[in-house]
Amino acid sequence: GQNIDQPTEMTATEGAIVQINCTYQTSGFNGLFWYQQHAGEAPTFLSYNVLDGLEEKGRFSSFLSRSKGYSYLLLKELQMKDSASYLCAVSPNTDKLIFGTGTRLQVFP
Amino acid sequence: EAGVAQSPRYKIIEKRQSVAFWCNPISGHATLYWYQQILGQGPKLLIQFQNNGVVDDSQLPKDRFSAERLKGVDSTLKIQPAKLEDSAVYLCASSDGQQAFFGQGTRLTVV
Repeated sequence: GQNIDQPTEMTATEGAIVQINCTYQTSGFNGLFWYQQHAGEAPTFLSYNVLDGLEEKGRFSSFLSRSKGYSYLLLKELQMKDSASYLCAVSPNTDKLIFGTGTRLQVFP
Repeated sequence: EAGVAQSPRYKIIEKRQSVAFWCNPISGHATLYWYQQILGQGPKLLIQFQNNGVVDDSQLPKDRFSAERLKGVDSTLKIQPAKLEDSAVYLCASSDGQQAFFGQGTRLTVV
């Protein structure tokens, strides 16, 4: 079976750093994605990891350890507009995409 | 570049009625997905097409849900008859083989 776990909710303060963890157990692995989803909107792509290590893109970074079935999304210099759900998704084989339940992040001033 | 288009944006129907959703993917994208997202949960894959063939429909409730992708482009998802638990956002996404792009979704409320 396929299983992707994330915390349900997190809170943080504006300007701070937050790390959202994701663990997965899938039948195969062809990459891990992070998506951002604001309330009432479609998910938008944030990052993609297929090899172990850290991928940095501006204020957002994503890390992958394939041997541990583990990833995290790191958000720096948090802004109010970062309040959203963050979805971890795994591709167990080419083009298939399975999502976790998502982590709802609330940023407070 | 035009994104994934879906219609309608919102739909309210009574239980036991039927409903259909339409999706126009990004031009050239061979893979098309339909996801169901219940409030507070992550998207759940219902069906995946590669061109006009079905790759995965293992989580599609086939007694009431059906989907087709004619000519490998547009797709429709139908529910007949609808149940209260079908209330959700139905997301269509298409992929270029690297990344999935999502439409705005159709919010279905079954009363």
